[in-house]
Amino acid sequence: ELKVEQNPLFLSMQEGKNYTIYCNYSTTSDRLYWYRQDPGKSLESLFVLLSNGAVKQEGRLMASLDTKARLSTLHITAAVHDLSATYFCAVSNEKLTFGTGTRLTIIP
Amino acid sequence: DAGVIQSPRHEVTEMGQEVTLRCKPISGHNSLFWYRQTMMRGLELLIYFNNNVPIDDSGMPEDRFSAKMPNASFSTLKIQPSEPRDSAVYFCASGTGVLALNQPQHFGDGTRLSIL
Repeated sequence: ELKVEQNPLFLSMQEGKNYTIYCNYSTTSDRLYWYRQDPGKSLESLFVLLSNGAVKQEGRLMASLDTKARLSTLHITAAVHDLSATYFCAVSNEKLTFGTGTRLTIIP
Repeated sequence: DAGVIQSPRHEVTEMGQEVTLRCKPISGHNSLFWYRQTMMRGLELLIYFNNNVPIDDSGMPEDRFSAKMPNASFSTLKIQPSEPRDSAVYFCASGTGVLALNQPQHFGDGTRLSIL
């Protein structure tokens, strides 16, 4: 059974700082997705990573995938309050399995 | 594009009642997914359809849950009889291809279900 673990589960960080969220998964997959969810809202797709070494960037967020290490990272650069949300990674195997989520709070 | 449309947005009902959640996927998408989100269990895939055919329903918690997709533009998730532990946010998502492998799934706004 595919297991997807994220850490940290909760993260409070100051505006302007950098940080990384980690997503580890237990079985081979070459497709990984990152989603954002605001409180009480739906999930919004951020990145689709389709191959080993894939790196994608959008604004202050950058995601990467290392399929050999079964690891993806979501890096936040110079955080701003608008990035406060819960971030999920999801891994495609026989079906899409979501991680536990990382609740990110940006403090002014 | 209107996106994935779910109804109702909120549902409060008493234990034992039948609950029906509805979903209209994005036009042109041939895969549809039902998820349940709770604080304790996170986001769980219940069932998914490809070209209106159920492919994997192994995530459906028990026989009280059933899902149908009579055509490409409509799906229902039914709980009968409902129990308090079914309280959760239920999301519908759609995508292209089985599991929407190279494209992300698009999520609806969810139905917040409370069973009293």
